[in-house]
Amino acid sequence: AQKITQTQPGMFVQEKEAVTLDCTYDTSDPSYGLFWYKQPSSGEMIFLIYQGSYDQQNATEGRYSLNFQKARKSANLVISASQLGDSAMYFCAMREDPYSGAGSYQLTFGKGTKLSVIP
Amino acid sequence: GAVVSQHPSRVICKSGTSVKIECRSLDFQATTMFWYRQFPKKSLMLMATSNEGSKATYEQGVEKDKFLINHASLTLSTLTVTSAHPEDSSFYICSARIPWGTDTQYFGPGTRLTVL
Repeated sequence: AQKITQTQPGMFVQEKEAVTLDCTYDTSDPSYGLFWYKQPSSGEMIFLIYQGSYDQQNATEGRYSLNFQKARKSANLVISASQLGDSAMYFCAMREDPYSGAGSYQLTFGKGTKLSVIP
Repeated sequence: GAVVSQHPSRVICKSGTSVKIECRSLDFQATTMFWYRQFPKKSLMLMATSNEGSKATYEQGVEKDKFLINHASLTLSTLTVTSAHPEDSSFYICSARIPWGTDTQYFGPGTRLTVL
C-alpha cells in the first residue's frame, strides 16, 4: 500500500478562490510529521507547512492551512485566495518516527497534484 | 527560512565523463543531507542519505559506485555521477535536514543533468 496518496493528478482553481488538495497517509507509527511542498516549473521544492501527529490544532502559514483529520489519516492542504503564482506541483510528504528511535528521517512523497490557477 | 544552494543548476556532459554536483546549507549546519532524483512529471525518488563524517546510505537499486556521495563538512555534500551515460540524464535535487523543531528538510534548487 502506498504510504502517501494524492488522488488528484491535476486541479484547476479560479484566481482568488480557495482550493483543497487532498492527501491521505498510511503509517502504524504514533509519531510522525506531515509536510507540504510546492514545486514551481523552475524545479525548486519550497517548504509550505508542517503538521505533527501530536499537534492538537491544524497548522496554518499565511494563506496555507492544513486540514488534519487524524482518525481518517488525511492531511489536506487548503490554499485560500489563490494567486496566479500558486500554479505549481504540490507534494504531500510524511516522516515516520519509530519508537526505536532508529528512524532515518526520510520523507516519503506522494505523486503530487498539479494546480493551475485560472485568471 | 533555511537556505540550501546547489551548483551547478544545469550541466551538459559527454557520455563517459564524471559530473560533480554540490549541495550547501548556507545558514545552518546540516549533519544529514539527502539526494533525490526526479524524472519528468514524477515524484522525488530518494537516492541516498548523506551523513557528515560517515558513509552515505544508499537506497535499494542505487549504484553506490556510480553515484558517489561525500559529506565532508557540516555545510557541504557532493554527488558525483561517475562515467555518466544518457540514462543518467535527470533532475537531481538535494535537501538538508534541520534536526530540531519540526525536523524539516529544506531543498536546493536542483541540477538538470543532460548526458549526450
